[in-house]
Amino acid sequence: GEDVEQSLFLSVREGDSSVINCTYTDSSSTYLYWYKQEPGAGLQLLTYIFSNMDMKQDQRLTVLLNKKDKHLSLRIADTQTGDSAIYFCADGGSQGNLIFGKGTKLSVKP
Amino acid sequence: GAGVSQSPSNKVTEKGKDVELRCDPISGHTALYWYRQSLGQGLEFLIYFQGNSAPDKSGLPSDRFSAERTGGSVSTLTIQRTQQEDSAVYLCASSPGQGVGKLFFGSGTQLSVL
Repeated sequence: GEDVEQSLFLSVREGDSSVINCTYTDSSSTYLYWYKQEPGAGLQLLTYIFSNMDMKQDQRLTVLLNKKDKHLSLRIADTQTGDSAIYFCADGGSQGNLIFGKGTKLSVKP
Repeated sequence: GAGVSQSPSNKVTEKGKDVELRCDPISGHTALYWYRQSLGQGLEFLIYFQGNSAPDKSGLPSDRFSAERTGGSVSTLTIQRTQQEDSAVYLCASSPGQGVGKLFFGSGTQLSVL
């Protein structure tokens, strides 16, 4: 079945770049997504990329897509303590729903 | 309201009881989703409603779980004969339409089954 995999934890120092990686199995997705979940809250859409693009930049965020390897990454430049959260990669499933990874917990140390 | 609203925010129940969780989506959103978030399990898809189409129930873990969406708006997720393993945060999300993965999530219902 469709699956999305990502590492569970990432720890960085404030000011460093963070890179969160994700692999997916469904190659028919039109879009791939990154969602952010802050403590006690639901998920919020952070950014997304169209499947025929290989890069998208949005302020401090850079999304890279390697469609051949089915690999997606999210880079956060100049990471701040406010970026501490769980980041979910999501793949547009073939049935119209979204398939989420288990989430990467980003911890930013001052 | 401006966002997706879920109620209750917390629910504690005894094993074997039935529970109902409610979701009010954003007005005008045709798609509605239920997900379950458990510690260490990430976000698990449960069910998806799109307009008047038959719902995609492929993620429901057992026949104790059911959901309905009345009038294309409010949705209720029902868990019958709750078990301890049902303890989780149940998240609802809505979206403007099919094929658009821009989901707007509620804050969830924390369900604890004792």
